[in-house]
Amino acid sequence: EVQLVESGGGLVQPGRSLKLSCAASGFTFSDYYMAWVRQAPTKGLEWVASISYDGGSTYYRDSVKGRFTISRDNAKSSLYLQMDSLRSEDTATYYCTTHVMDAWGQGASVTVSS
Amino acid sequence: DVVLTQTPPTLSATIGQSVSISCRSSQSLLHSNGNTYLNWLLQRPGQPPQLLIYLVSRLESGVPNRFSGSGSGTDFTLKISGVEAEDLGVYYCVQSTHAPWTFGGGTKLELK
Repeated sequence: EVQLVESGGGLVQPGRSLKLSCAASGFTFSDYYMAWVRQAPTKGLEWVASISYDGGSTYYRDSVKGRFTISRDNAKSSLYLQMDSLRSEDTATYYCTTHVMDAWGQGASVTVSS
Repeated sequence: DVVLTQTPPTLSATIGQSVSISCRSSQSLLHSNGNTYLNWLLQRPGQPPQLLIYLVSRLESGVPNRFSGSGSGTDFTLKISGVEAEDLGVYYCVQSTHAPWTFGGGTKLELK
């Protein structure tokens, strides 16, 4: 069974950092580009970042460039999102997904507030 | 960025009714490789999104065949032939032909 399980969410003050993890199982992780997608409370879906099979290429939406870093460890079948200099507008549920969107995690809730 | 406009924003249906959702793109979603990367997702209340349709019209494994997708270029449609109670939620179209991925605003399907 394909599974993606996010962890690392929580409440954090503006300007601080948080790192999300996504543990994959049930498929060959290294065969897939991976992505993070977020959803602000009561809002729609928004792509955040993507990473290539080997991590050699990364892509970010403009609003997180220079603040967020996507990475992966294929040996551990894990995806990460390091989020620095967090802002209130980063408050959202963060989902990890494959680049073909055929699997989604349950989401990790991130709240940025003082 | 590519803008995807979904209509209607809300859809009220009775069980068994057939409904359609439109997704219009601000530019063609035909990739230079010949594929059109337009997917449809369903997000049930309190749940993550799930893939229903990929590449415009291909049914994801395990998805009931009452769901169908069609379209080309900039105009796409999701049809549900006979709504069931489990189909309630928010439907999103999403394109990955052009970077960055962009999503439609969503269509909420509710019971009349």
